Amino acid sequence: KAGVTQTPRYLIKTRGQQVTLSCSPISGHRSVSWYQQTPGQGLQFLFEYFSETQRNKGNFPGRFSGRQFSNSRSEMNVSTLELGDSALYLCASSLVEGLKLAQYFGPGTRLLVL
Amino acid sequence: DQQVKQNSPSLSVQEGRISILNCDYTNSMFDYFLWYKKYPAEGPTFLISISSIKDKNEDGRFTVFLNKSAKHLSLHIVPSQPGDSAVYFCAAIALTNAGKSTFGDGTTLTVKP
Repeated sequence: KAGVTQTPRYLIKTRGQQVTLSCSPISGHRSVSWYQQTPGQGLQFLFEYFSETQRNKGNFPGRFSGRQFSNSRSEMNVSTLELGDSALYLCASSLVEGLKLAQYFGPGTRLLVL
Repeated sequence: DQQVKQNSPSLSVQEGRISILNCDYTNSMFDYFLWYKKYPAEGPTFLISISSIKDKNEDGRFTVFLNKSAKHLSLHIVPSQPGDSAVYFCAAIALTNAGKSTFGDGTTLTVKP
């Protein structure tokens, strides 16, 4: 099976702009989670979608939003970009089988806000 | 308020010995706990998970133990190999809004030949 894919891999934006990141989960995985990774804060949970519904949300401002489509692909949007939004954005797809959960990360989208 | 903590930033062990990585958590509402391995400039690689209703799960050289009363989990790697040298993260996953999925800060494992 193909792994989790994320596009684009790199992005440069300026303050005030908005950005949309895309994630395609592993085939058959219905849950997609988004994380922000920065050197100072480590991996921070943004939100999780399951069957097109946001199931869980981290402590990020409303400028960060997401959605999931019927094919489980997910998008994340950040509006009114700030310098502090520069980070690696990781998407993970997960599957629960019985009592086991496996979560696999994509390569990430590195966002630089100037 | 960090809900998942890895108190040891680093660990060094000899090849062939056991590596024990530890993680403490504060929220009892997590549904699963996972361990990841991470190399520089790469995303985390999933290793093993455990349901909150279990106390042990094994997969090859990796075993995760969960002590719910102590809110503590550990990853045992036996035997340790030089290729295991990496940063290891524990993560707590909540499938509902009862808790926020959280990662620890990581422990750097060095396995010496």
